[in-house]
Amino acid sequence: LAKTTQPISMDSYEGQEVNITCSHNNIATNDYITWYQQFPSQGPRFIIQGYKTKVTNEVASLFIPADRKSSTLSLPRVSLSDTAVYYCLVGEAGGYNKLIFGAGTRLAVHP
Amino acid sequence: NAGVTQTPKFRVLKTGQSMTLLCAQDMNHEYMYWYRQDPGMGLRLIHYSVGEGTTAKGEVPDGYNVSRLKKQNFLLGLESAAPSQTSVYFCASSLTGGPQETQYFGPGTRLLVL
Repeated sequence: LAKTTQPISMDSYEGQEVNITCSHNNIATNDYITWYQQFPSQGPRFIIQGYKTKVTNEVASLFIPADRKSSTLSLPRVSLSDTAVYYCLVGEAGGYNKLIFGAGTRLAVHP
Repeated sequence: NAGVTQTPKFRVLKTGQSMTLLCAQDMNHEYMYWYRQDPGMGLRLIHYSVGEGTTAKGEVPDGYNVSRLKKQNFLLGLESAAPSQTSVYFCASSLTGGPQETQYFGPGTRLLVL
């Protein structure tokens, strides 16, 4: 499984757009990129997943360049409730579902 | 649907005691997982199951045992608890295997071993 690197922490203010970039230089051809969100005292929650180009859902957007060696999670107009830890994971489709969680990015949204 | 539930929410053990953590899911998922999360770290996979009656070791299996006698339940056992097993334990499930499948997590069990 490809190792991921993401910033340890980020700060933002309410109403701003937040972009969290994840580096995965050794991503393989069949790997998917998935982001999870974890609030304090809760289990992680799936946010978004992509393979290439751009994916958007009601919560976030995921931008993946052509070389797929990095990806950027974009949270539009964050609120205080978006304060959480965000994990970037890379794993191969098929086989058993092994998720490797790094330390994640701690996002703090300020009033 | 309740999703994934875990019992108990919090437990204090003395070194050497045993206990069982229960995970239940009502989504008819085939795959179930047990993770542990230590302060400031991501989750690490302890054991997983790809279906009723099957179990397999994950990243950090030592000191733990698991059983999947019913499809909806996945039990994690500590036979002789050690302080190093103080952690937050999360159970998760997914419909099938593969990282493209969403994993659904429970609320966690906080375990303190004295």
